[in-house]
Amino acid sequence: EAGVAQSPRYKIIEKRQSVAFWCNPISGHATLYWYQQILGQGPKLLIQFQNNGVVDDSQLPKDRFSAERLKGVDSTLKIQPAKLEDSAVYLCASSLSGTGGEKLFFGSGTQLSVL
Amino acid sequence: AQSVTQLDSHVSVSEGTPVLLRCNYSSSYSPSLFWYVQHPNKGLQLLLKYTSAATLVKGINGFEAEFKKSETSFHLTKPSAHMSDAAEYFCVVSALASGGYQKVTFGTGTKLQVIP
Repeated sequence: EAGVAQSPRYKIIEKRQSVAFWCNPISGHATLYWYQQILGQGPKLLIQFQNNGVVDDSQLPKDRFSAERLKGVDSTLKIQPAKLEDSAVYLCASSLSGTGGEKLFFGSGTQLSVL
Repeated sequence: AQSVTQLDSHVSVSEGTPVLLRCNYSSSYSPSLFWYVQHPNKGLQLLLKYTSAATLVKGINGFEAEFKKSETSFHLTKPSAHMSDAAEYFCVVSALASGGYQKVTFGTGTKLQVIP
């Protein structure tokens, strides 16, 4: 089966610019997660969707980050404007139903460098 | 609230010797626990998971972990390290949040170095 697809693989921008990441989860998976992984740290949840509704965005810096999940399938994560501390790998993951105890399937991530 | 503490940020072992990566968790509800591995420039891969069945869980590549409720621990072990085991390992706790959705929390990771 096809895995979680993310693009782009790498992105380099200057601070104050905007950037967008795209994620296509595994077909049929109801739950989609965006994580931020700063070098040397564990992944931190930014936002979690159940179908096309947000169930957890408590750690999303809402003054600069936004995300949407189109028709409960694809998702985009945007940063505007970017700061130096946003340099990280942005991971998208999906799971079947989000009801607990499920394996998460991860994409390869987007590595963002903010200069 | 839930949290995961990985007690060692770096572990170094010689090839052929045992591996022990330590993890303690905190959860208000009956949790599921996972170990994921991340090789350099690769995606996160599930090693094993515990979901309230047998407390000793066997995973891929010879890894296993034991769930100890009294100690709130879920340590990862392997009898004999291989060079290909060098990677970063994440302990993960998952439980149903009050809103009825799965809340997943990652530990900070343990980098395993295997010395030839």
